[in-house]
Amino acid sequence: DVKVTQSSRYLVKRTGEKVFLECVQDMDHENMFWYRQDPGLGLRLIYFSYDVKMKEKGDIPEGYSVSREKKERFSLILESASTNQTSMYLCASSLWDRGATNEKLFFGSGTQLSVL
Amino acid sequence: KNQVEQSPQSLIILEGKNCTLQCNYTVSPFSNLRWYKQDTGRGPVSLTIMTFSENTKSNGRYTATLDADTKQSSLHITASQLSDSASYICVVFYTGGFKTIFGAGTRLFVKA
Repeated sequence: DVKVTQSSRYLVKRTGEKVFLECVQDMDHENMFWYRQDPGLGLRLIYFSYDVKMKEKGDIPEGYSVSREKKERFSLILESASTNQTSMYLCASSLWDRGATNEKLFFGSGTQLSVL
Repeated sequence: KNQVEQSPQSLIILEGKNCTLQCNYTVSPFSNLRWYKQDTGRGPVSLTIMTFSENTKSNGRYTATLDADTKQSSLHITASQLSDSASYICVVFYTGGFKTIFGAGTRLFVKA
């Protein structure tokens, strides 16, 4: 089974702190994603990456950056955390080539981030 | 605008009863529709996938239906169990932009 591991289940940070969320997958998937999940809004895509050192903005990239130095690892960075970034953050990976139409996402367990 | 809307927002049923969750979408063109189950404190896990040409797909006690003409899907859960308590998320893959579009989910509570 695919395993997507997020380094922290719960994080509490202060406004203005730099925050790193780490995600590792063990199935050699090309694609990796960062979503945030808020009640009533569903999952919203922050950034994704389809290859090492490649990144693409999702729907809500403002206030975030990402890093993908190795294929298995995708990091989400909050340069200066703000209270409106309090949310559940979910990492996902998928094995999909650009010509296909059948994307199955494998999710990590999520990181609940609270910014005080 | 490409959207996925789910109803109800939440639902409480007694153990052993059946229930049906609804998903309406305006995504076009699309290639497939998935239902994910998300247990509390966990990430979503894929339950079923249907292409636009399929009408129904079963996975144990879960049966998904799709009407591509009316752009509606449903997830029917038979003989519910306490372990069915979770959020159920409808997801449509938008081939116009190679993008996955999520519904907000239905929160199901199964009571003993």
